[in-house]
Amino acid sequence: DAKTTQPNSMESNEEEPVHLPCNHSTISGTDYIHWYRQLPSQGPEYVIHGLTSNVNNRMASLAIAEDRKSSTLILHRATLRDAAVYYCILRHYRTQNTGNQFYFGTGTSLTVIP
Amino acid sequence: EAGVAQSPRYKIIEKRQSVAFWCNPISGHATLYWYQQILGQGPKLLIQFQNNGVVDDSQLPKDRFSAERLKGVDSTLKIQPAKLEDSAVYLCASSFVTGSGNTIYFGEGSWLTVV
Repeated sequence: DAKTTQPNSMESNEEEPVHLPCNHSTISGTDYIHWYRQLPSQGPEYVIHGLTSNVNNRMASLAIAEDRKSSTLILHRATLRDAAVYYCILRHYRTQNTGNQFYFGTGTSLTVIP
Repeated sequence: EAGVAQSPRYKIIEKRQSVAFWCNPISGHATLYWYQQILGQGPKLLIQFQNNGVVDDSQLPKDRFSAERLKGVDSTLKIQPAKLEDSAVYLCASSFVTGSGNTIYFGEGSWLTVV
């Protein structure tokens, strides 16, 4: 199974950009890269996903390396509410009968300093 | 749109007792997942259903854990007998089957403490 590697923790000052890296050197050609975050005492929530091209949404941007072996989640202006554990996940689709598989790593705990 | 519903939210049991968790996925989601999340770790997939069939249960400790998804909607995860190391959050999630926009939606989790 494809796996992801992330730093255990990172810190950022409030209102500054944050770049959260992820390595996924064993990614297959059809695996999508997803990012989720988990606030304390809650289930993980979707942030962004992509396949090959960089992606932007209202929450964040996702930069994907040309060889797809790494990606970076970019929070443009960190707020205190962004303090959470961020998971980089590979979504593997096998068949219509099996659906999507999502494999979590250990994630990066982001601390935002006021 | 209603999210993934789970119950109970919290449960404390003694070792060797049994416990059951219930999950109602988002309407129309054919795929249902149960994850175990031990404090300080990422979620670990226990079992994945596609409709009411099991797709992956390779990491489910089958000597004590069981799960079912009758009629392809609600699901129940049971632990019997519980061990101390089963103390964790049990997350239920669901997703559509196909499409590039597929994401997985999680419930708030069922917190289990085994004493």
